Order: sequence, then structure tokens, then C-alpha cells
Amino acid sequence: AQSVTQLGSHVSVSEGALVLLRCNYSSSVPPYLFWYVQYPNQGLQLLLKYTSAATLVKGINGFEAEFKKSETSFHLTKPSAHMSDAAEYFCAVSAGTASKLTFGTGTRLQVML
Amino acid sequence: KAGVTQTPRYLIKTRGQQVTLSCSPISGHRSVSWYQQTPGQGLQFLFEYFSETQRNKGNFPGRFSGRQFSNSRSEMNVSTLELGDSALYLCASSFSLGVRWDEQFFGPGTRLTVL
Repeated sequence: AQSVTQLGSHVSVSEGALVLLRCNYSSSVPPYLFWYVQYPNQGLQLLLKYTSAATLVKGINGFEAEFKKSETSFHLTKPSAHMSDAAEYFCAVSAGTASKLTFGTGTRLQVML
Repeated sequence: KAGVTQTPRYLIKTRGQQVTLSCSPISGHRSVSWYQQTPGQGLQFLFEYFSETQRNKGNFPGRFSGRQFSNSRSEMNVSTLELGDSALYLCASSFSLGVRWDEQFFGPGTRLTVL
């Protein structure tokens, strides 16, 4: 079975500050991991995905994530937050097929002036 | 290329009624999955269809059902609605089945409110 845990349901940063959203996974098989972003009243948009090709994954909008097997983590970072980054972020792991994603509970990112 | 479309975007129903939601995947995508999103339970997998066949099913009661048509469009149906069925229902499409790294593209969702 697979699961993900997102630490912190709410994260608040100042504009220009580092963004760090935490995700730890549990998987009985080598995991495929994803970060999605959801803006209000919208669906989910893929930010990046880990597919074992490289441990440091770069995504859209300046986000990146590093896969650390020893720590079972896949934290999402962005060097400098922008107001437009305010949204909810979900970490997910694929189960038996990519179509069955298991999501974390989400982290709402607030960006302050 | 057009994205995943879902209709309607908003629905209000009363307890005991039934509802049908529709999803049109990205052109060429043959796999369609459905998820329920609620504040309490988060995002939960409902079911997945590929080539008109249900391939995976989440842990939901039989009141939740779906189908897929030959053009890959999908519908989900919820019968005998309960208050707890109020949620955002998201549809996602992907090109293939069984490829764990294949990206799923999500639609904007249908917001169902049960009164």
C-alpha cells in the first residue's frame, strides 16, 4: 500500500522568501511521486513528477523537488515566493496504476506582502 | 489542444435524488478517472475507466457508479443522494492505462451540493 503525509496544513511566507512544503511517502514498491497545485475553483495542475530518472526534479513556475529515499521524502521548494503562488498544494503517489493516485491532505500556501 | 471538460460546473440537488456528471477527456486520451474532494476526507479515488471498462474502483458504496463511452467520454452517477455526497467531483484523463508515471490531466470539477 502507498500513502503520503503532508506536514503542515497551512504555510505562510513573505513574498520573496523561500517556499518549503513537506511531503513524506510510504510505498511498498518504488514510488512515482507527484506534486499538484490547485487554485480556487479550479482542478489540479501538475507541477512536477518523480519517475526515478533524477532525484532533483524541476517543474513549472520555478518549483523543484528532491527525492530522498533514505528520508522517504519529496519536499517541494521554490527559492522566491510570488503572490501568484498562493494556492493549495497536493503531494501524491501512484498506486497500482498511474490512474489511481493517493493524495496527501494538502498544504495551503499563503504569500504575504 | 482542449483540456478536460466537465459539465455541469455546479449542481444543487436534494437528498434522495440522483445525479449524473459528465467528463470529456483530452482528445486521444483513453483513460478517465474520477475523484471526490471534500474538506474532511480530501481527495479520494472513485474509479477508473479504460476502453469502456472499469479497471479500478475505490472504496465507495454502490450508489456511485460510472461508465465510459466509445469516444472515451465518461459519466458518473450517484443515486439516492446523501448530505455527505456534497463535494467537488474531479475527472482526470491520461493517455494510457497501467503506466504509473503517466500524467493525469484534471478538469475543473463539478461542485455538487446536496440539500
